Amino acid sequence: DGGITQSPKYLFRKEGQNVTLSCEQNLNHDAMYWYRQDPGQGLRLIYYSQIVNDFQKGDIAEGYSVSREKKESFPLTVTSAQKNPTAFYLCASRRDHSAGELFFGEGSRLTVL
Amino acid sequence: DAKTTQPPSMDCAEGRAANLPCNHSTISGNEYVYWYRQIHSQGPQYIIHGLKNNETNEMASLIITEDRKSSTLILPHATLRDTAVYYCIVRSNNAGNMLTFGGGTRLMVKP
Repeated sequence: DGGITQSPKYLFRKEGQNVTLSCEQNLNHDAMYWYRQDPGQGLRLIYYSQIVNDFQKGDIAEGYSVSREKKESFPLTVTSAQKNPTAFYLCASRRDHSAGELFFGEGSRLTVL
Repeated sequence: DAKTTQPPSMDCAEGRAANLPCNHSTISGNEYVYWYRQIHSQGPQYIIHGLKNNETNEMASLIITEDRKSSTLILPHATLRDTAVYYCIVRSNNAGNMLTFGGGTRLMVKP
């Protein structure tokens, strides 16, 4: 079945460590997105990519990095520079950046101890 | 993108219709109305979208007022599994425009 797979679902890390969250899609979508969600809040955009080898900062990019070397993959690294990394992270994809609905993964919950 | 206003929470009895309102008084002519929902600790799920005509699919109906300044998402026979946060978003299909998820409406379906 086509869809978006995020891993891991749960992740615990010590303060000061970088962590990388995986996002893979087999929908042949050009556009991919990373959002962050804090408890009781809406989603905030971290980074997005309209096409392979291209990505743009969203509203809260500081302390995060991404890459888009393959169409199907858009990993997110939460660096030690992110002041408050504990959150629920959601990856999404879309047919292209201008139209169509977003398809979301099941999310990755990161807890920094 | 136009800002939306939704009530923070609503209750609905199981089996009854759930009517979720959304105000988007600053919507412009080329902006669509999208609805998503998010069940606790899962990724949001697309429900429906429309421009100016009413829309219906297997999940819900979307009623957009003639002046397009507000809309209502209707779940015709709510079940306990419809308990979720429902997001109303307006967005044009121009490249560079994002889908912005605000606080949404927390719908609680009760037995």
